[in-house]
Amino acid sequence: AQSVTQPDIHITVSEGASLELRCNYSYGATPYLFWYVQSPGQGLQLLLKYFSGDTLVQGIKGFEAEFKRSQSSFNLRKPSVHWSDAAEYFCAVGHRGSTLGRLYFGRGTQLTVWP
Amino acid sequence: KAGVTQTPRYLIKTRGQQVTLSCSPISGHRSVSWYQQTPGQGLQFLFEYFSETQRNKGNFPGRFSGRQFSNSRSEMNVSTLELGDSALYLCASSLSRGGGNTEAFFGQGTRLTVV
Repeated sequence: AQSVTQPDIHITVSEGASLELRCNYSYGATPYLFWYVQSPGQGLQLLLKYFSGDTLVQGIKGFEAEFKRSQSSFNLRKPSVHWSDAAEYFCAVGHRGSTLGRLYFGRGTQLTVWP
Repeated sequence: KAGVTQTPRYLIKTRGQQVTLSCSPISGHRSVSWYQQTPGQGLQFLFEYFSETQRNKGNFPGRFSGRQFSNSRSEMNVSTLELGDSALYLCASSLSRGGGNTEAFFGQGTRLTVV
């Protein structure tokens, strides 16, 4: 069965510091991979996605993620965090070759940014 | 281009009642999926509709149902509400079903509180 693991429930960083959020997945083949961000009481906004090709993908708001097949990981990074990045971040996988309507989500990582 | 619209944004219902939530996808999108988000269970897939047909269904009781209309708008219904149904219900739309470079766009959600 597919599963997505985000090992860190809560991360706190200082503004201007670098950030890495971890994501590991369990899936029979290389899935579609996504990172979403959610502000309190809001829906999910897509930060970036990996479908194929270059394993380092760039997203919005200065985020990037690297797909590592050997480690079944898709970690999210940002070189310098801004206070407005405080939110909850979700990693998700979708079936390759099937509907993109069904996504499997990790439990999320809550990011707190200290000024 | 308008995003995914969910109505209403907030609902308070009494145990035993039923509720209907609405989702209008992005124009041209034919796939609509529904997710339930709770602090305890995280984001869980409810079902997906494409061209008025349910294509996938998550592991929820039969009290949860949905439908999609010819204009791709979707509704989900929960009958005989239980306290545990209190959650943020998120709708996502995507351009097509199947592979290809598409992604899911989420609405702001409907916050359902059952008292």
